[in-house]
Amino acid sequence: GENVEQHPSTLSVQEGDSAVIKCTYSDSASNYFPWYKQELGKRPQLIIDIRSNVGEKKDQRIAVTLNKTAKHFSLHITETQPEDSAVYFCAEDFGNEKLTFGTGTRLTIIP
Amino acid sequence: KAGVTQTPRYLIKTRGQQVTLSCSPISGHRSVSWYQQTPGQGLQFLFEYFSETQRNKGNFPGRFSGRQFSNSRSEMNVSTLELGDSALYLCASSLKGTVGELFFGEGSRLTVL
Repeated sequence: GENVEQHPSTLSVQEGDSAVIKCTYSDSASNYFPWYKQELGKRPQLIIDIRSNVGEKKDQRIAVTLNKTAKHFSLHITETQPEDSAVYFCAEDFGNEKLTFGTGTRLTIIP
Repeated sequence: KAGVTQTPRYLIKTRGQQVTLSCSPISGHRSVSWYQQTPGQGLQFLFEYFSETQRNKGNFPGRFSGRQFSNSRSEMNVSTLELGDSALYLCASSLKGTVGELFFGEGSRLTVL
């Protein structure tokens, strides 16, 4: 069945440094991998997503990489800023209208 | 364009009662999915509806049910409430389904005493 493991559960980085969050999935049929950001007390919002026919996607300071052989995908945030502090969730879907989320990573940017 | 609206925002129930939560999607969105958010488990998928049809459901007991109306509005119901049902229930709407950007509501926070 669908299962997504997300690590680490908490992450603290100095402002300006990079942050990396990794997720591992179990179903080789999974083909869609979004990342959602949830600020404290707010709703989750999509920040970037990638499909299985692409290995990497970038959007300004945010990038996602996908390794289909190893069944893992990672979120990379460069030049971190205080507003990057939030909980980040990875997710996967293999096209059956069932989105499975990881358990989240609480990222804290230290000024 | 109005966002996803969930009602009620907060509610308190006692064990054994039942509750109905409502979700109004963004205009034009035909897919509505529901998630349970708890501190320890993160976001867990409950079910997804498209054009009044449930296309998939998560691993929740039969006490959790839902439906979607012809105007795409959706409701979920939890019967015989248990303490462990205390959570934030989020709905999300999208144009076609769970592959693609989901727009979340602010959630309904349920406390079961």
